[in-house]
Amino acid sequence: DTAVSQTPKYLVTQMGNDKSIKCEQNLGHDTMYWYKQDSKKFLKIMFSYNNKELIINETVPNRFSPKSPDKAHLNLHINSLELGDSAVYFCASGGALSQYFGPGTRLLVL
Amino acid sequence: AQSVTQLDSQVPVFEEAPVELRCNYSSSVSVYLFWYVQYPNQGLQLLLKYLSGSTLVKGINGFEAEFNKSQTSFHLRKPSVHISDTAEYFCAVSVSVKGAQKLVFGQGTRLTINP
Repeated sequence: DTAVSQTPKYLVTQMGNDKSIKCEQNLGHDTMYWYKQDSKKFLKIMFSYNNKELIINETVPNRFSPKSPDKAHLNLHINSLELGDSAVYFCASGGALSQYFGPGTRLLVL
Repeated sequence: AQSVTQLDSQVPVFEEAPVELRCNYSSSVSVYLFWYVQYPNQGLQLLLKYLSGSTLVKGINGFEAEFNKSQTSFHLRKPSVHISDTAEYFCAVSVSVKGAQKLVFGQGTRLTINP
């Protein structure tokens, strides 16, 4: 069984569109995260939810809105996509001082 | 604020040679340190972590790292690399925020193994 899964794996879309990325974990963790990896492979945290409550929001534009329907899911919705949003987005799930990452969603905005 | 510097952006080595990937961190408090590996077009996999205790940490795939508080370093080593170790390696420090552990990553080191 996949511990942290994301859908879709690839997402190609036009500027201005709205898109969502879904994440699910079956590790029983209370905390989930979204990270962004840019074209230079640099990884930076975007958000973290603990048991459905937003606890980290790292100065991400408000076009990005995370939603956690339950503690096993953390989805990322992006409005009015821009060229600079092209990146790989990783979901992660955290236990006691370890984080487990999903396979990533490669987003390309044209 | 905590930060991580990986001193080499690329490290080419020959197969079966030893390798060291360097990582330095800055932190004013106790740190938790991690090394992750990212194979091409894949997610991040935890190689090893230092939380406390012994400063020599052993991980998966024959990797180990040594925590050195006086030099604020956490270098990753492997005595003999294999072609399959070709990947991007990330050092990270964990920052506690309201019960969550935010990972602050270094810039990554691309390890290339040549036959």
